[in-house]
Amino acid sequence: RKEVEQDPGPFNVPEGATVAFNCTYSNSASQSFFWYRQDCRKEPKLLMSVYSSGNEDGRFTAQLNRASQYISLLIRDSKLSDSATYLCVVNAGGTSYGKLTFGQGTILTVHP
Amino acid sequence: DTGVSQNPRHKITKRGQNVTFRCDPISEHNRLYWYRQTLGQGPEFLTYFQNEAQLEKSRLLSDRFSAERPKGSFSTLEIQRTEQGDSAMYLCASTFVDGEKLFFGSGTQLSVL
Repeated sequence: RKEVEQDPGPFNVPEGATVAFNCTYSNSASQSFFWYRQDCRKEPKLLMSVYSSGNEDGRFTAQLNRASQYISLLIRDSKLSDSATYLCVVNAGGTSYGKLTFGQGTILTVHP
Repeated sequence: DTGVSQNPRHKITKRGQNVTFRCDPISEHNRLYWYRQTLGQGPEFLTYFQNEAQLEKSRLLSDRFSAERPKGSFSTLEIQRTEQGDSAMYLCASTFVDGEKLFFGSGTQLSVL
């Protein structure tokens, strides 16, 4: 089983739609969680951290369910500029704390 | 430019040759990571350093791969006896100790012919 698994998509949605991405992780000792965004032929950049209490940044909402080892990202009112690959990232715990593992990525295309 | 710098941007080599890539992290960052990314996949963890110490290396990584960070500043990644399967984008990232926001360089695109 992969350490971090995502539905690769692609997700094709119209502008204004709400879209949700899911991610699961295998290491129950994992300490912290993130969503990164990667534009075509560019390097990944941090989008937001994910907390157990859930967190929101404008149109983006991230949730963590430690019991189910599940992370989600919700994008409301999609914009054309949201088109990118969204990467789920997990920081391993224990002796591997600091090792940041990426999922495969979920491709999002927002069309007019 | 105070971001993460990687050189070269592109490298084309013949199978069996050795290649070396360089990464200059953001100067205040203690941690430095190497990842490999192929088309349609997320970045795959290779190794990371805290200062000059290599803390973890992927178990999937062939012994043809070696990385160093001798003075805790820049790092090099060497691939010996390259194979066509080594063709990928090699990404370097840095962050503070206990920092978890990775700052990536633009990567080195390796093509093995």
